Amino acid sequence: DIQMTQSPSSLSASVGDRVTITCRASQGISNSLAWYQQKPGKAPKLLLYAASRLESGVPSRFSGSGSGTDYTLTISSLQPEDFATYYCQQYYSTPFTFGPGTKVDIK
Amino acid sequence: EVQLVESGGGLVQPGGSLRLSCAASGFTFSSYEMNWVRQAPGKGLEWVSYISSSGSTIYYADSVKGRFTISRDNAKNSLYLQMNSLRAEDTAVYYCPRATVTTQNAFDIWGQGTMVTVSS
Repeated sequence: DIQMTQSPSSLSASVGDRVTITCRASQGISNSLAWYQQKPGKAPKLLLYAASRLESGVPSRFSGSGSGTDYTLTISSLQPEDFATYYCQQYYSTPFTFGPGTKVDIK
Repeated sequence: EVQLVESGGGLVQPGGSLRLSCAASGFTFSSYEMNWVRQAPGKGLEWVSYISSSGSTIYYADSVKGRFTISRDNAKNSLYLQMNSLRAEDTAVYYCPRATVTTQNAFDIWGQGTMVTVSS
């Protein structure tokens, strides 16, 4: 099974900050990597897929990069509605594992 | 509107059974691969099971293999998860996200989830 790790597990940031979250797979996943945003009591929302492709309707302040085993989610200018938990997920092979999540809260 | 609505959750005793349903609307259900993903209270996301658009290919997480059965009825636009021999650690919100080639099989649409509580 492919294990996914994320760092940091949590961070505090201010509106307007640039935020970067990293995700590492235990083996190469050929960019089969998605990022989701989840707010309390709500279902996850797809932000990016194929490591760097923005899902329709997602603001352009979200971007993704990476290859092989190492991937990054960047929020260029944090907005109030971005305070949430972010998960990476590999869908390269089953089981489709998720990272443990990164909680972004208000500084 | 593209929508997935999960139902069937509830309180069940350890060792009991439950059948979850996921009703799809607003898209051609038979063309999409589907999954079940769960989230224990205060915890992260755990993929549970996958079924191909035709139902011919199925995968399970090791944690549920032999106890859970995924199925679909494309004529009824519905996905199911039969859960048997339930354990306390199966307590979670269960979601039924779809996967699409448009997003290269990432999970683009999620329902609101249905809560399953396994407790005596």
